[in-house]
Amino acid sequence: GNSVTQMEGPVTLSEEAFLTINCTYTATGYPSLFWYVQYPGEGLQLLLKATKADDKGSNKGFEATYRKETTSFHLEKGSVQVSDSAVYFCALSDRGGSNYKLTFGKGTLLTVNP
Amino acid sequence: KAGVTQTPRYLIKTRGQQVTLSCSPISGHRSVSWYQQTPGQGLQFLFEYFSETQRNKGNFPGRFSGRQFSNSRSEMNVSTLELGDSALYLCASSSQTSGATDTQYFGPGTRLTVL
Repeated sequence: GNSVTQMEGPVTLSEEAFLTINCTYTATGYPSLFWYVQYPGEGLQLLLKATKADDKGSNKGFEATYRKETTSFHLEKGSVQVSDSAVYFCALSDRGGSNYKLTFGKGTLLTVNP
Repeated sequence: KAGVTQTPRYLIKTRGQQVTLSCSPISGHRSVSWYQQTPGQGLQFLFEYFSETQRNKGNFPGRFSGRQFSNSRSEMNVSTLELGDSALYLCASSSQTSGATDTQYFGPGTRLTVL
């Protein structure tokens, strides 16, 4: 079956530090990959996505590249801000058949200190 | 466009009761999915509806059920509540015009507490 593994953290950084959150996946088909972010007391917001190998998703300074050879979709940001403090979820949606559900990683709590 | 809305935002129930949660998708979206989020199990897929038909179901007991109306609004019901049903229930909608590449947009969730 499908699965997503991401570093669980928590991750604590100082403002303007470089961020990497690792994500690897196992899928039976050809998945689309997503990063969602959850702020305290809120639902999930789409941060970025990539739908095929070598695609790079980017948004708000965050980037992730779909690497089929390493089955990875690591999230990076060059300079984090206090406002980036949140929980980040890596997810996949398998385009095989009619399986439209998202499979999520466990989430990574990021805290950015001023 | 208005986002996905969920009502109520918070609920407190006691064991054995039943509960109904409501979700209104983004206008024009025909697919609605439900997820349960708990600290121990993370985010788990409950079921997905498209044009009033359940297309996928996750590994949850039959106490969890749902439905979708002709206007794409969806409800989920949990009967005979257990303490372990305490969770944040998230609804997501998508247009489902491109299959699995479509983005699912999430609502703020309903926080259910079972006492």
